[in-house]
Amino acid sequence: GESVGLHLPTLSVQEGDNSIINCAYSNSASDYFIWYKQESGKGPQFIIDIRSNMDKRQGQRVTVLLNKTVKHLSLQIAATQPGDSAVYFCAENGKAGTALIFGKGTTLSVSS
Amino acid sequence: EPEVTQTPSHQVTQMGQEVILRCVPISNHLYFYWYRQILGQKVEFLVSFYNNEISEKSEIFDDQFSVERPDGSNFTLKIRSTKLEDSAMYFCASGTGLAYEQYFGPGTRLT
Repeated sequence: GESVGLHLPTLSVQEGDNSIINCAYSNSASDYFIWYKQESGKGPQFIIDIRSNMDKRQGQRVTVLLNKTVKHLSLQIAATQPGDSAVYFCAENGKAGTALIFGKGTTLSVSS
Repeated sequence: EPEVTQTPSHQVTQMGQEVILRCVPISNHLYFYWYRQILGQKVEFLVSFYNNEISEKSEIFDDQFSVERPDGSNFTLKIRSTKLEDSAMYFCASGTGLAYEQYFGPGTRLT
């Protein structure tokens, strides 16, 4: 079936480094992609999103890149901080109000 | 900032028992969702609800599950006869439907 997945289950970085978390998706009809952050014992927290008609979007310390040619999504976190330690999920859907399809998640560990 | 709330935070039950998980979505949202996450796995969609009816459901959402919006603020998920494999975190989410964003609650851990 169609699904969204992440390349690496874990990523360890030093405080201050830039982090890049990757995701491959398979549904070429997807119109909307989101990155969520999930801290231990909490629900997914919205970080940043991007529509399929864009290839880059920037937020505060985060950038999402979308490459539709190879169906690849990435999340870049600048100057990673210990508070960024969490599991990061990419998710996609094709229409507002419909189900989000989540990938498996990458655990980001930031050491100081 | 408005947020989705869920109760209880942890529910312990026995196999075969009925459980009701409760959610209060963000007040001006029109779309409501339930997702679940088995420990260590990805978040999985269960059901979406709009205009007092189910708009979409997954294969997981079988006859043992039901959803209800009993009043203007609560949104509930009922599992009629719980099984061991129902043990998971259950997340409620809500959204306007005009935009794609869905906002998640803190979850209920069902054991």
